[in-house]
Amino acid sequence: AQSVTQLGSHVSVSEGALVLLRCNYSSSVPPYLFWYVQYPNQGLQLLLKYTTGATLVKGINGFEAEFKKSETSFHLTKPSAHMSDAAEYFCAVSDSSNTGKLIFGQGTTLQVKP
Amino acid sequence: DGGITQSPKYLFRKEGQNVTLSCEQNLNHDAMYWYRQDPGQGLRLIYYSQIVNDFQKGDIAEGYSVSREKKESFPLTVTSAQKNPTAFYLCASSVRYNQPQHFGDGTRLSIL
Repeated sequence: AQSVTQLGSHVSVSEGALVLLRCNYSSSVPPYLFWYVQYPNQGLQLLLKYTTGATLVKGINGFEAEFKKSETSFHLTKPSAHMSDAAEYFCAVSDSSNTGKLIFGQGTTLQVKP
Repeated sequence: DGGITQSPKYLFRKEGQNVTLSCEQNLNHDAMYWYRQDPGQGLRLIYYSQIVNDFQKGDIAEGYSVSREKKESFPLTVTSAQKNPTAFYLCASSVRYNQPQHFGDGTRLSIL
């Protein structure tokens, strides 16, 4: 069965510093991977997705993620944090049953300090 | 603009009462989903529907019921059998499997 592990429930960085949010997955088939962001009391917004092809995926708001099959990882990065990046981030993998179901990680709360 | 509308934004339930959360989408998506979000637990799938008049249980379906009579609508009923209904409920839709899901802004359900 698929699963997703996000390392670190809380990450704190200074404004302008590198953001690195870690995601590892397990999947018996080539995975479809997603990163979402959630601001307080709102729904989830898609940041980026990996389906096939290029392993370095660029998303919105300057975020990118690299699919590393050998490490079963899909870490999210941003070179320079902005105060507006403070939110909760979720990594998700598609269920292999072709139902469209997503398996979500527990989430990582990003704090950005001035 | 196309999107997913959830209503109400806040809902209060009395003991023994059933309540229904609305989810409407105008994205022409075939698949729709209901999730429950609790602090520190991520999102857990309650029910999903891939096509009109068909739906399947997710991981935590007990105490919940759904219907899918129209493509654009997927209401969720929280029944009195759900003993711990206080949570943030999110509805999502996707064009088909392995495509990104689009989310509504959620309904926060509390117990009076």
